[in-house]
Amino acid sequence: GENVEQHPSTLSVQEGDSAVIKCTYSDSASNYFPWYKQELGKRPQLIIDIRSNVGEKKDQRIAVTLNKTAKHFSLHITETQPEDSAVYFCAASKNSGYSTLTFGKGTMLLVSP
Amino acid sequence: NAGVTQTPKFQVLKTGQSMTLQCAQDMNHNSMYWYRQDPGMGLRLIYYSASEGTTDKGEVPNGYNVSRLNKREFSLRLESAAPSQTSVYFCASLFSGKETQYFGPGTRLLVL
Repeated sequence: GENVEQHPSTLSVQEGDSAVIKCTYSDSASNYFPWYKQELGKRPQLIIDIRSNVGEKKDQRIAVTLNKTAKHFSLHITETQPEDSAVYFCAASKNSGYSTLTFGKGTMLLVSP
Repeated sequence: NAGVTQTPKFQVLKTGQSMTLQCAQDMNHNSMYWYRQDPGMGLRLIYYSASEGTTDKGEVPNGYNVSRLNKREFSLRLESAAPSQTSVYFCASLFSGKETQYFGPGTRLLVL
């Protein structure tokens, strides 16, 4: 089955810095890669996703890049703010109509003022 | 439109007790999922239901059973709870043909 590795497990940055979280996947058939943000005590919420036919996607301060050849994808957050502090999860799936997701183990991002 | 709801929010069980976690969605989604979340382990799929009337095992199904009661509801049952099942349980749903899963608020379960 699919295996998703995520690094780093923790990341501390100063407000205004950029943050990068990286994930690798094992199944070359995976074609959908979402990123979820989970604040303390809350549910995971989708923040951005990318499909295998696209190399990069941006939404304001966040962007995701995908390298299918290397089987890795990354989340980039620019101009970080304290409210960006949370746990971020990457995931991968094959779009089969019901999309079972395999998650990475998460990255705790701490943005200090 | 409440989205995905879960009950209870928190539960304490003794080893060997049984309980059912309830999940419901009002978004007319076809597929539903149960995950468990443990510190440092991410979210792991327990069971899923691709459509009403079908259920399949995920990565960590041992010790659990599920029922897809109807299109809206998907329950998770622990027949004989063990301390290793202490976790936060999330239900999620997805509209067929789409890819985004929407999560419920979670159930925190403590097994003593």
